[in-house]
Amino acid sequence: QSALTQPASVSGSAGQSITISCTGTSSDVGSFNLVSWYQQHPGKAPKLMISEVTKRPSGVSNRFSGSKSGNTAFLTISGLQAEDEANYYCCSYAPTSTFGVLGGGTKLTVL
Amino acid sequence: QLQLQESGPGLVKPSETLSLTCTVSGDSISSSSSYWGWIRQPPGKGLEWIGTIYHSGSTYYNPSLKSRVTISVDTSKNQFSLKLNSVTAADTAVYYCATAPPMTTVINWGQGILVTVSS
Repeated sequence: QSALTQPASVSGSAGQSITISCTGTSSDVGSFNLVSWYQQHPGKAPKLMISEVTKRPSGVSNRFSGSKSGNTAFLTISGLQAEDEANYYCCSYAPTSTFGVLGGGTKLTVL
Repeated sequence: QLQLQESGPGLVKPSETLSLTCTVSGDSISSSSSYWGWIRQPPGKGLEWIGTIYHSGSTYYNPSLKSRVTISVDTSKNQFSLKLNSVTAADTAVYYCATAPPMTTVINWGQGILVTVSS
């Protein structure tokens, strides 16, 4: 299956909000509420930030939120902080996958 | 608490076989319903799924790597392994072992191991 489509980069000033999109198809994102978002800092393993489109694991700041519309999922980060600067990956369940279909990643720069 | 730890050589010569092992603690591969597998990340690039194995032994591979990849399980040691043969510089990457329950995208990751392909 093809990778999910994410913007290569987004940026925002500290304190502002940004939204990262993740576009799939009716076979993955559009059909299942099983989209996760991962944050990855340089040299670190990805960290789960959102699961099942909107659920935040324990310990993840409520500044992070997820949503979905049609074949596109969104990660919104409000009140941007310097520590949010990282790469973000989306991942959607698809019946033909085991770990899911991954997005290409988005580099977030906090200005 | 579930933990995964990769181990293996950090340097592999071109045309040789890359071999990595993932040791699992906090869960039993033989009794778990989860998938176990490998994801890699070339320097400065995104994540690429390599392949997955189920405790039954069923395997699923990325079509682009399928001809060179073997993933296996050693339930007696609670480990699973990756072999990638005929490596080139393009296989240089951080290799993560990972696990996820079926019908989810909640992936638990190892810390990753950098493997460099160079003579």
